Amino acid sequence: KQEVTQIPAALSVPEGENLVLNCSFTDSAIYNLQWFRQDPGKGLTSLLLIQSSQREQTSGRLNASLDKSSGRSTLYIAASQPGDSATYLCAVGSSQAGTALIFGKGTTLSVSS
Amino acid sequence: GAVVSQHPSRVICKSGTSVKIECRSLDFQATTMFWYRQFPKQSLMLMATSNEGSKATYEQGVEKDKFLINHASLTLSTLTVTSAHPEDSSFYICSATPDRAIYEQYFGPGTRLTVT
Repeated sequence: KQEVTQIPAALSVPEGENLVLNCSFTDSAIYNLQWFRQDPGKGLTSLLLIQSSQREQTSGRLNASLDKSSGRSTLYIAASQPGDSATYLCAVGSSQAGTALIFGKGTTLSVSS
Repeated sequence: GAVVSQHPSRVICKSGTSVKIECRSLDFQATTMFWYRQFPKQSLMLMATSNEGSKATYEQGVEKDKFLINHASLTLSTLTVTSAHPEDSSFYICSATPDRAIYEQYFGPGTRLTVT
């Protein structure tokens, strides 16, 4: 059964720092991996989607990498801002079509000004 | 495109009553939808997979008689929490997989259920 782990559980940084969030998964038979952002009491905002055949995806200050063979992904946030404060969730999609995404427990990020 | 809505966004009900949550795919057909539950400061836990025209598949530990799922059309799935108790208070999120893109999943905005 797929298990997704995110480290650290919480992270506090001053504004302007670059940071890395980590995600690992136990079953490498994935179709894709997705990073989401969730603000308190809100739904999910999709940030980046990496297909299993890809190594990384970039969007603005965000860069996500995927090493499928080792079961790892990282989300790199450059020049962090207070508005980046949120919980970041990693989710993997199985290679079996029509199955649900499996989520990690998330990393709660706090960026102070 | 690929928008999923949920209704209501918030609901408060009394213990013992039932509440229905709707999940709609607005601009695509979805044979498969999923229901997740999220407790405060926890991650999303899959409750069940809903398939149009057939019975839902529930994850281990989820009571199918308490959480009734109906997927009556290709754009609508409903989750009914029956005989609600305070411990059922949670954030419920649905997602839908487009029939045209079976490896994709789009999420609704969630429903906050509070049982008093």
